[in-house]
Parts: sequence; C-alpha cells; structure tokens
Amino acid sequence: DAGITQSPRHKVTETGTPVTLRCHQTENHRYMYWYRQDPGHGLRLIHYSYGVKDTDKGEVSDGYSVSRSKTEDFLLTLESATSSQTSVYFCATIAYPGQGSDEQYFGPGTRLTVT
Amino acid sequence: LAKTTQPISMDSYEGQEVNITCSHNNIATNDYITWYQQFPSQGPRFIIQGYKTKVTNEVASLFIPADRKSSTLSLPRVSLSDTAVYYCLVGRRGSGTYKYIFGTGTRLKVLA
Repeated sequence: DAGITQSPRHKVTETGTPVTLRCHQTENHRYMYWYRQDPGHGLRLIHYSYGVKDTDKGEVSDGYSVSRSKTEDFLLTLESATSSQTSVYFCATIAYPGQGSDEQYFGPGTRLTVT
Repeated sequence: LAKTTQPISMDSYEGQEVNITCSHNNIATNDYITWYQQFPSQGPRFIIQGYKTKVTNEVASLFIPADRKSSTLSLPRVSLSDTAVYYCLVGRRGSGTYKYIFGTGTRLKVLA
C-alpha cells in the first residue's frame, strides 16, 4: 500500500470553529485529492492538487479550502465548520496520471463530526 | 466529466459469477473507466481500469462495448470476502487535469 496517512483520524468539533485535516504521503506522488463520503452520495471530490501550490476545485468545494506547500502534504481546511460538513473525509494520491494507470491510492479516512 | 449510474445493491451466493453494470452515457473520447472496491471503514481500493473492449486481471474482468456508454465489472466465483461497495468512475486524460467523479456505488452482498 502507498504510504498515505491522514490526521486526525477522528474529530468532533463545534459549529463555527475552524478545522484542518492533514494528508501526508511518502510516495512522492504529484496528484493529491480530497473527497468526502456521505450515505447515499458515494465519494464526492472537494479539491485536488496537481503539484505544489497548484490546486483546483472539485464538485463540492464550497466551504472548503486547501493548501499544498510541499509534495508530501495536502491540507484541507474548513474555515467555519457547519453540521452539513459532518462526513468521512478521504485523501487519495495518484502516481502517474495519464501514463497508463490512474490508480488512486486512498488514505484510511478522517471521521469528522460537527456538533 | 460523465456521470455514472449503477444499481444500488446486489445479492449473490458464494461461488457464483457477479456482473455489475455501470452506465456512462455521456462518456467522451478521452475518458476511461475505473472500478474500485470499498470495505466498511476503509478507503476505496483499485480493482481494474479500461478504455475499450475487455480487460482482465487476477481479480476481475472489465467489459466495455464499442459505444462505451456502459461497462460491466465481472467478479468470478465470489466469496464472502467480496461483500463490499463497488464504484465505477470515469476519468479523463489529456487535458492536464485529472478529476474523477465517483458514482454512488453498488453494494454487493455475498451470501453463504
């Protein structure tokens, strides 16, 4: 398995507080992704990064921001958490997109509860 | 990117072949199809990927007809451990960006 870790693994926070989730990879993969997973919705792309300081929005980016200051770390920030952002968040990376295989390697997930 | 549609759930018995079909009517020329498997409390895991015709690996086969508007994941002789959610997604190459849209998944339950 690719060396992808997420921290924290579980978090409970209050509405209106800022929250930052971290994804860390040791594989030197260029592309990194943040998804959220909710019952009935599968996985939905929040933001992704195609290089250091290069990011773009996914399908559900409102209320989220990201940063990638170095290859191995991709941070997801909820500036002011809302109950609708209660979810399981997954990070993923891709080694060689467009070069034969776009296999995404997923982290173990972060369960976030906003009360 | 093309949205995908899959059956919500399927049941099967151990030892049977399972076929899960995914519809992607708006697939574009540069798009390809990938399938993932997800167990509870884990991230998805890659199963197989293809562009057209048939692809086979050690765990599954992927059938894609000529019009590419659908694809079928085939799992030979399933076991109880194949009980999971299976996702079909469409991705695009060539644009310099690699965004992926997951479907809602098919929950496969394998019965003894």
